[in-house]
Amino acid sequence: GQQLNQSPQSMFIQEGEDVSMNCTSSSIFNTWLWYKQDPGEGPVLLIALYKAGELTSNGRLTAQFGITRKDSFLNISASIPSDVGIYFCAGQKTSYDKVIFGPGTSLSVIP
Amino acid sequence: SAVISQKPSRDICQRGTSLTIQCQVDSQVTMMFWYRQQPGQSLTLIATANQGSEATYESGFVIDKFPISRPNLTFSTLTVSNMSPEDSSIYLCSGGLRGGELFFGEGSRLTVL
Repeated sequence: GQQLNQSPQSMFIQEGEDVSMNCTSSSIFNTWLWYKQDPGEGPVLLIALYKAGELTSNGRLTAQFGITRKDSFLNISASIPSDVGIYFCAGQKTSYDKVIFGPGTSLSVIP
Repeated sequence: SAVISQKPSRDICQRGTSLTIQCQVDSQVTMMFWYRQQPGQSLTLIATANQGSEATYESGFVIDKFPISRPNLTFSTLTVSNMSPEDSSIYLCSGGLRGGELFFGEGSRLTVL
């Protein structure tokens, strides 16, 4: 079945550092999404990407939709303690299709 | 955006019993999905809740074990039937309008003894 891979699995960074994580798939997706989940909460949408090559920002977060439609990247600049959490990429083939989630990247920020 | 409320937020259940989780959205959404998240894991899609018709289940999930209803555009239920300890998990309801922009409830944390 469809599967997404995320790397790295976990990261420990110093406050103020920039962070990069990525998501790959063997299948083409027409929508890529990035969610963040805090402990005890449901995932919250950070960025949605709808077009190959698209680069979208949301504050200190920037995400890109890979040209091949098989990957996406998320960057966080100048990390702060509240960036701690699990970041999930997700993909969708068509607008009304199911949304598949990657395994997640766990981010820890050391003050 | 949409606000999604789930209840119960958590429960401890006995083996062999069934529990129904309710999901209420504060506005009409096109899509509603039920996910399972086992401890330390990602979200696994159980099924798509279809308004007024049978849900569409993913591989490995069956209607007898996880019956789902969606009588209207803002409400859905998921029942976990004949529970075993392996069903201990967080069950998340989600809803969305456009594309994959889903909104999630806080989840229902089930512990089966």
